[in-house]
Amino acid sequence: GESVGLHLPTLSVQEGDNSIINCAYSNSASDYFIWYKQESGKGPQFIIDIRSNMDKRQGQRVTVLLNKTVKHLSLQIAATQPGDSAVYFCAENMGYGQNFVFGPGTRLSVLP
Amino acid sequence: DTAVSQTPKYLVTQMGNDKSIKCEQNLGHDTMYWYKQDSKKFLKIMFSYNNKELIINETVPNRFSPKSPDKAHLNLHINSLELGDSAVYFCASSQATGGTQPQHFGDGTRLSIL
Repeated sequence: GESVGLHLPTLSVQEGDNSIINCAYSNSASDYFIWYKQESGKGPQFIIDIRSNMDKRQGQRVTVLLNKTVKHLSLQIAATQPGDSAVYFCAENMGYGQNFVFGPGTRLSVLP
Repeated sequence: DTAVSQTPKYLVTQMGNDKSIKCEQNLGHDTMYWYKQDSKKFLKIMFSYNNKELIINETVPNRFSPKSPDKAHLNLHINSLELGDSAVYFCASSQATGGTQPQHFGDGTRLSIL
């Protein structure tokens, strides 16, 4: 299940199950979105991106869904593995020359 | 064949000191960035440079001064270090200036102020 509070939100899933990590982004003008994975002691690593003219994009074992109406982004990971345990960040951008704004992150914990 | 490399990986120093963090990318990217990640894992951009020119300078104290000798390097110098500067600092690069391409991050420099 998912817990949100003063600490980093954590999502715990059983190995082999599918994971869904959610992100509410802030700016309706944002047109480019990225999901990053950050393992302990490492920098954020690109997973998948999506532009605002799409509502779904699939990669290997991952799918990103974009709902512009409610400013919501989700990352689905199929058949979650122990190596998927990490902190996941969404990032939004409003276009050329603009900052990326990162979400607060969600810690995914995969249970054996 | 590290794409974005930062040195040092760990930096422990006393309040009031001056320190530098170096960053190099071998991806041929035009744009480089510095981010700060606090203890709650919140990532915030500090600076971005495109072809050695400053593009983004967020509200960062002027004790922080980035320097880009060429487009493959972006170093961060910090004067008069304060306790609140303790964080992990990430360098990143991208092929184009924000908004169109993903960023590639280094593995971070963990700065601890005593």
